[in-house]
Amino acid sequence: QKEVEQDPGPLSVPEGAIVSLNCTYSNSAFQYFMWYRQYSRKGPELLMYTYSSGNKEDGRFTAQVDKSSKYISLFIRDSQPSDSATYLCAMNCDDTSGTYKYIFGTGTRLKVLA
Amino acid sequence: NAGVTQTPKFQVLKTGQSMTLQCAQDMNHNSMYWYRQDPGMGLRLIYYSASEGTTDKGEVPNGYNVSRLNKREFSLRLESAAPSQTSVYFCASSEIGGYNEQFFGPGTRLTVL
Repeated sequence: QKEVEQDPGPLSVPEGAIVSLNCTYSNSAFQYFMWYRQYSRKGPELLMYTYSSGNKEDGRFTAQVDKSSKYISLFIRDSQPSDSATYLCAMNCDDTSGTYKYIFGTGTRLKVLA
Repeated sequence: NAGVTQTPKFQVLKTGQSMTLQCAQDMNHNSMYWYRQDPGMGLRLIYYSASEGTTDKGEVPNGYNVSRLNKREFSLRLESAAPSQTSVYFCASSEIGGYNEQFFGPGTRLTVL
């Protein structure tokens, strides 16, 4: 079983729709939860991050973390064609042992149709 | 402020050839990383350097070597390229600790024939 699972899509939605993107994880030590956005033929860029459980909102984007269920979500309201990209979840934890732990999901490809 | 730069952008190799991918960052970050991205596999960590002078293996290190030349530069070497190493390679850098935002370069598209 992978530490982080993410549906690869593709997900096609009409402009203006609400989009829900999700990841599940198995390692309860993860503390920081990130969403990266990757446009075609570009490197990923950080979109949002959340520490521990709860919600965080930034404009049309809301990140949600449920640590009890080991489930994170990204909601996009009023989706636009410019939101068409691959969205990767990522998570990590502080590790004083020196062992690196920063895991990316496989990414969900989103297409918003005009 | 260029961020993370990678060279070359594209490369075609024959099986058995060697090459070095170059990466540099101008954000004074301590940590640097090399990933490969393949369809359906997501980003997989090849090697990382938590700080200048240290390097460690990631998830898929076989067939690769790295050098942290100084704080700015981190190179990835393929000694004897194989078709299985056809991929898009990304370099990234970050500070240590916390949510540790990673800043990515534009990628190198490598094809091994």
